[in-house]
Amino acid sequence: AQSVTQLGSHVSVSEGALVLLRCNYSSSVPPYLFWYVQYPNQGLQLLLKYTTGATLVKGINGFEAEFKKSETSFHLTKPSAHMSDAAEYFCAVRLTGANSKLTFGKGITLSVRP
Amino acid sequence: DGGITQSPKYLFRKEGQNVTLSCEQNLNHDAMYWYRQDPGQGLRLIYYSQIVNDFQKGDIAEGYSVSREKKESFPLTVTSAQKNPTAFYLCASYGFRSGSNTEAFFGQGTRLTVV
Repeated sequence: AQSVTQLGSHVSVSEGALVLLRCNYSSSVPPYLFWYVQYPNQGLQLLLKYTTGATLVKGINGFEAEFKKSETSFHLTKPSAHMSDAAEYFCAVRLTGANSKLTFGKGITLSVRP
Repeated sequence: DGGITQSPKYLFRKEGQNVTLSCEQNLNHDAMYWYRQDPGQGLRLIYYSQIVNDFQKGDIAEGYSVSREKKESFPLTVTSAQKNPTAFYLCASYGFRSGSNTEAFFGQGTRLTVV
């Protein structure tokens, strides 16, 4: 079975500062990895995903994440935070086979200070 | 446009009543999921279905029921046995037959309030 760990529940950064949201996974085989963003009272929107190939993945809104197999990590970064980045962020994992279940981390709330 | 639709967006229920939340997708996805979201608790899996006429309990299935009679539809019934049903409910779907479209798509959610 796979699992996802997102350490901490809240991250606060200043506008223009680096955003780093951590995600570690546990899986018996290299999985598919995802980052989603959720704005208040809305569904989740895909930011980026890793399936195969290049381990540095670029997503929407200037976000990127790097898959590091040796560290079982998929941390999300953005060089310069914007006020509009304030939201909740979820890391998710599922195995590559058919019928595999999608598993989410508990989410991290990102606040951006002016 | 393809997508996943939840209705209604807001729902009020009296204590002791059953209520059904709708989730429809036209993405030809095999898998459909229901999650419950409470403040500070992330997404908790209620039920999921990988194929028509089959579904499995998630982590918090008590007080809920589902059906999957059609590939496009996965309604969730919140029964009177659910002790604390007030929450935000999210439906998701994904197709696992394609190697490139691996991500889940989410509906906009239904906020259920017990009055």
